[in-house]
Amino acid sequence: GQQLNQSPQSMFIQEGEDVSMNCTSSSIFNTWLWYKQDPGEGPVLLIALYKAGELTSNGRLTAQFGITRKDSFLNISASIPSDVGIYFCVLASGGSNYKLTFGKGTLLTVNP
Amino acid sequence: EAQVTQNPRYLITVTGKKLTVTCSQNMNHEYMSWYRQDPGLGLRQIYYSMNVEVTDKGDVPEGYKVSRKEKRNFPLILESPSPNQTSLYFCASGIPGQDGYTFGSGTRLTVV
Repeated sequence: GQQLNQSPQSMFIQEGEDVSMNCTSSSIFNTWLWYKQDPGEGPVLLIALYKAGELTSNGRLTAQFGITRKDSFLNISASIPSDVGIYFCVLASGGSNYKLTFGKGTLLTVNP
Repeated sequence: EAQVTQNPRYLITVTGKKLTVTCSQNMNHEYMSWYRQDPGLGLRQIYYSMNVEVTDKGDVPEGYKVSRKEKRNFPLILESPSPNQTSLYFCASGIPGQDGYTFGSGTRLTVV
């Protein structure tokens, strides 16, 4: 099966700092998703990317779908305490992109 | 409010005692899925269902059963739980290819 590598595993930053995380896959995919999991809750979709090279923003979040279609990154600018959580890159595959494959996640801690 | 509801949120049980975790969605979604989350491993798919009476194995189906007798419900059944099934379980529903899925709040299962 495909390999999905997400890094870093964890980050500890000060409030106000920018943060970046990325994912690479062993195969080409057509859809990258970024989810966030707040403590004690289920994952929530942040950004969806459908085209190679696509750069999409959602408030302080920016994500890009690499032109090789094998990688993606997520940037968070001016971090705040509520950014704490686990961030997952997710690949969608299969007919109609029904199957989601999750990366192992990046645990983000923000020190006020 | 559109949501995926799982019950119970927490469950402690003994090895071999059959249990069912319920999942219900109110969004009329055809697709539903179960995942387990273990530290450092991200979310892994257990079973999924493309529609009523249509279910299929995900990546880690051993030791689990599911049923889909009606569109809104997708229970996860552990016929004979074992300690290695101690995990955090998530149910999700959605429309494949349309901006990811909606996840429930999770069920933390401990098998002793």
